Amino acid sequence: NAGVTQTPKFRVLKTGQSMTLLCAQDMNHEYMYWYRQDPGMGLRLIHYSVGEGTTAKGEVPDGYNVSRLKKQNFLLGLESAAPSQTSVYFCASSSRGLAGGYEQYFGPGTRLTVT
Amino acid sequence: EDKVVQSPLSLVVHEGDTVTLNCSYEVTNFRSLLWYKQEKKAPTFLFMLTSSGIEKKSGRLSSILDKKELFSILNITATQTGDSAVYLCAVARDYGGSQGNLIFGKGTKLSVKP
Repeated sequence: NAGVTQTPKFRVLKTGQSMTLLCAQDMNHEYMYWYRQDPGMGLRLIHYSVGEGTTAKGEVPDGYNVSRLKKQNFLLGLESAAPSQTSVYFCASSSRGLAGGYEQYFGPGTRLTVT
Repeated sequence: EDKVVQSPLSLVVHEGDTVTLNCSYEVTNFRSLLWYKQEKKAPTFLFMLTSSGIEKKSGRLSSILDKKELFSILNITATQTGDSAVYLCAVARDYGGSQGNLIFGKGTKLSVKP
């Protein structure tokens, strides 16, 4: 049982390049989330998904796209990277419903630098 | 605008000290408050609180929620160097059970010196 995994762990991009971050979970969770964490800003929600085939915008969605084609995977895409997207990206998942209590389990993070 | 505010932002103590971390919130449709510990990697779950006045305990850590005054505290007794980390407070909002989005505070960085 690996929990939540993220690939890659590190990446350096040039401005304008594109990339996709992959998040996978093996806990059969319905909900998945992408956050970014910046110094002094805390964790901010980029996009989230409440089930396979669904996605929704979070607090800071601009410049990112997501897809949830399979329940266990949640992809975060950067179409044209900008230096402002330099950050640590965390994926998280949680079970569905009030009984689940929205406890989110986090992946190990991806450190992205855009030059 | 919904917000979660943690204080202090950083704290330095010596081993054996007791510390109290604070989290206040202004959130519509409050569902629960969660505490996480982050040590240079992924946040790890500590507690989830949904009811006022009921203390949650795990070893030397304990937490309580006051829904009337809109705050929570996290206590750590007999601190150890392994407690050094950033402690994150987050509030889950309830939109009829269909969402579980968390609003995070900026965290309290705790440093425990030997």
